[in-house]
Formats: sequence, C-alpha cells, structure tokens
Amino acid sequence: QKEVEQNSGPLSVPEGAIASLNCTYSDRGSQSFFWYRQYSGKSPELIMSIYSNGDKEDGRFTAQLNKASQYVSLLIRDSQPSDSATYLCAVTPPNDYKLSFGAGTTVTVRA
Amino acid sequence: DTAVSQTPKYLVTQMGNDKSIKCEQNLGHDTMYWYKQDSKKFLKIMFSYNNKELIINETVPNRFSPKSPDKAHLNLHINSLELGDSAVYFCASSQAHYERGEQFFGPGTRLTVL
Repeated sequence: QKEVEQNSGPLSVPEGAIASLNCTYSDRGSQSFFWYRQYSGKSPELIMSIYSNGDKEDGRFTAQLNKASQYVSLLIRDSQPSDSATYLCAVTPPNDYKLSFGAGTTVTVRA
Repeated sequence: DTAVSQTPKYLVTQMGNDKSIKCEQNLGHDTMYWYKQDSKKFLKIMFSYNNKELIINETVPNRFSPKSPDKAHLNLHINSLELGDSAVYFCASSQAHYERGEQFFGPGTRLTVL
C-alpha cells in the first residue's frame, strides 16, 4: 500500500467552479499534512499546511483534515486558469525524517 | 535573491559517464534534501542531510553519492550513468528536520542520459 494516495486526474473544471482534490494516507500516526502546487516545468511550492482535524482556509484554498478517516482534501474555490497545475499531497510519517508525497493530481481550469 | 539554487539546470550526457549536480541554499536552513522526479511526476526522496549529517538514505543505487561540505551546500554525484537515471532532480531545504513539511525547492536539474 502506498503511503500517500491521490487521484491522478486529470481533473478538469470550468473557470469559477470549485476544484476538489482528495488524498488518503496509510500511517494512522501521521501528524502533519501539506499541499504543494507544481506548475509544469517548475518546482513544487508549499501552498497549505494543516495539523488539526477540521478546515483551514487561506484565500481561495481550503484544506480539510479527518484523521479518523486518514483523509485530507484541498478545495479551490472560484478556480482560475492560473490554478492549472499538479497538486501534491504530502504527509510526515511518524518516527521518520522524510516527507512522503503522493503522485499528484493534475488540475486544468478551462476558461 | 535565489533561495535554493542548483547547477546545472540541464545536463545531457552519455551512458557510463560520471556527473555532479550542485545545490546551495541561502535561507540559513539546517536540513537539505535530494529528490528524483521521474516522467510520471512522482517525487521520490533520495537523501537528506541535517547540519552535514546524513539522516535519510533511501534505497538508491550506490552509484549515487551525496556530499554536504557545509549546511548550505548539498551536492549529488552520480557514477556510471544509466538510461533509467534520466529524470528531474530537485534539491530542497527546510529550517530543520522537524519542520520537514515546509520545504523550499530549487528549480531542478533535468538530466538526460543518452
């Protein structure tokens, strides 16, 4: 079982719609969760972090965490063409120095 | 000011050659990482150093050898390059290993082995 799993997509949404990205993780003891955005040909950049159950909002982005279900999601409201990118879910497994990444979900926002 | 820089940006070489990629960060971070991103875009950790000490050494061929001369630099040397080594290699840094979720990535080095 992969440590972090995401729907690979691609996810195509119309401009102005909500894009919903999902991520599940295997290690129940994981404590910290992150979303990175990677534009084509560029490097990943951190856009959201979440540590507690519930929702965390930052501008048009909302991260949601449910540790009981081992599930973390990212909502992008009012999607813009500039949101077209691959979104990587990342988790810090316990007793480990690494950051485990999912394979990424590619989002395309069509005008 | 560039936070995490890598050289070269592109590297095209023949099978069997030896090559190095250099990484430098000016953020004052303690921890640095090397990742490999293949054609399917999966980002795989290879190595990590914390204050010049190796703390992550994932299962990679021993043809890959990292070196950290100081905490601002982490280099990657690859011996006897193979076709399967073709990928984008990213260097990253974080304030400390316990803040490994918040990493800053370099621009990447696209390695093509012919």
